Amino acid sequence: DAKTTQPNSMESNEEEPVHLPCNHSTISGTDYIHWYRQLPSQGPEYVIHGLTSNVNNRMASLAIAEDRKSSTLILHRATLRDAAVYYCILTFSGGYNKLIFGAGTRLAVHP
Amino acid sequence: EAGVAQSPRYKIIEKRQSVAFWCNPISGHATLYWYQQILGQGPKLLIQFQNNGVVDDSQLPKDRFSAERLKGVDSTLKIQPAKLEDSAVYLCASSLGWDSSYEQYFGPGTRLTVT
Repeated sequence: DAKTTQPNSMESNEEEPVHLPCNHSTISGTDYIHWYRQLPSQGPEYVIHGLTSNVNNRMASLAIAEDRKSSTLILHRATLRDAAVYYCILTFSGGYNKLIFGAGTRLAVHP
Repeated sequence: EAGVAQSPRYKIIEKRQSVAFWCNPISGHATLYWYQQILGQGPKLLIQFQNNGVVDDSQLPKDRFSAERLKGVDSTLKIQPAKLEDSAVYLCASSLGWDSSYEQYFGPGTRLTVT
């Protein structure tokens, strides 16, 4: 399974944009890039996913590098509720949607 | 739309006892997953069902853990006998399909403490 590398922690101020990086240099052409987050004492929550093109939804944007070896999750205006552990996960498109969670990035948001 | 339901939310048992967890996925979701999350770690997939069939149970400790999804809807995960290292949050998730393009929706989890 292809692996991802994320910073252990990041900090942001409320109402500022946040860019969460993820490196996945061994990604294959058929791997999807998924982002999930986990708020304290809750189950993980789906954020966004993509294959090759940048993606936007109501929660965030996903910017995927042209060579697909890295991606960035963008929260346009951080709120206190966005404080969570963010996981960047690769899944093989021909596989059974197996999510392998790493340590993720713990995002702290300051008022 | 109702989310993934799990019960109980908390359970405390002594080692060597048995315990069962229940999960009801989102209506219409064919794929169901059970994850184990030990404190301070990310969730680990234990077993994945497609309808009522198992597609991946490679990480399930089969000597003590079992799971079933008899009618392809709700599911139970059982531990018998429990060990101290089974203390964790057990998460159930579901998705519309089995392909990697589908997002997974997680329940609130069951926190198990084995003493």
